[in-house]
Amino acid sequence: EVQLVQSGAEVKKPGESLKISCKGSGYNFNLYWIAWVRQMPGKGLEWMGIIYPGDSDTRYSPSFQGQVTISADKSVSTAYLQWSSLKSSDTAMYYCAASVVITRFDYWGQGSLVTVSS
Amino acid sequence: QSALTQPASVSGSPGQSITISCTGTSSDVGGYNFVSWYQQHPGKAPKLIIYDVTKWPSGVSNRFSGSKSGNTASLTISGLQAEDEADYYCTSYTSNNTFGVFGGGTKLTVL
Repeated sequence: EVQLVQSGAEVKKPGESLKISCKGSGYNFNLYWIAWVRQMPGKGLEWMGIIYPGDSDTRYSPSFQGQVTISADKSVSTAYLQWSSLKSSDTAMYYCAASVVITRFDYWGQGSLVTVSS
Repeated sequence: QSALTQPASVSGSPGQSITISCTGTSSDVGGYNFVSWYQQHPGKAPKLIIYDVTKWPSGVSNRFSGSKSGNTASLTISGLQAEDEADYYCTSYTSNNTFGVFGGGTKLTVL
C-alpha cells in the first residue's frame, strides 16, 4: 500500500528557515513523481513544484520559483520542501502527493501545517 | 500563471445531478486530455476522483463523471448524496510550467 507520511506542524518566526518532509513507503520511491501543493487558510490548492527522485528532475510553478527548494533523498525515500527565509504569507497547509505520471496524483500525504508569526 | 476558472459554488438536492465547469485555454485544458478532478472534505487531504478527463481511479464511484469540450472541462455528479458535500478542484497539465495548474475550487452544498 502506497503511503506518504509528512512531518508535523511547525511554528516559526519570519526570517527563519524551515525544511518539511514527506516519507514514501509501499512503492519504489525512485519511480514516482512527488508534488508539493500549498493551501493557504480558507483558500484553494496551488501546485508548487514536482520532483522525480530517480533523476532529480525538478520543476517549479512560476509563482514559487526561487521562493522554495524541492529536493529528495532516495536513501531514505523522503522528499523535502525548504524555505531559507520564511514570511508570514507562507502560513499554510502543505501537502505532498505521489504518482507515476505528472498528469494526475493518486496518493496524498496528510498535510503539514506551517504557521509563520512574530 | 492564471488558474483555471471554476464557479465558486454550486448546490443541489439529494438524488439530483449537478455539473461543475472548469475553463482554461489551449495551453492547458483545450490542448491536452489531462484534466483531473479532486474532492476535498474539510480538514482532509484532496482525493483524486477523475483523471485523463473521463477515467475513474480504482474505488471511486461511477456517480462521478468527466467530460471536455474545447477549453472547458466538466465534472458531473449524479444521484447527489450528503457525503458529496465538499470542495472540488479541477487541474490540467499545462505547457506553461510543464506540469499543472489548478482551478480556484467549487464548494458543493447538498441541500
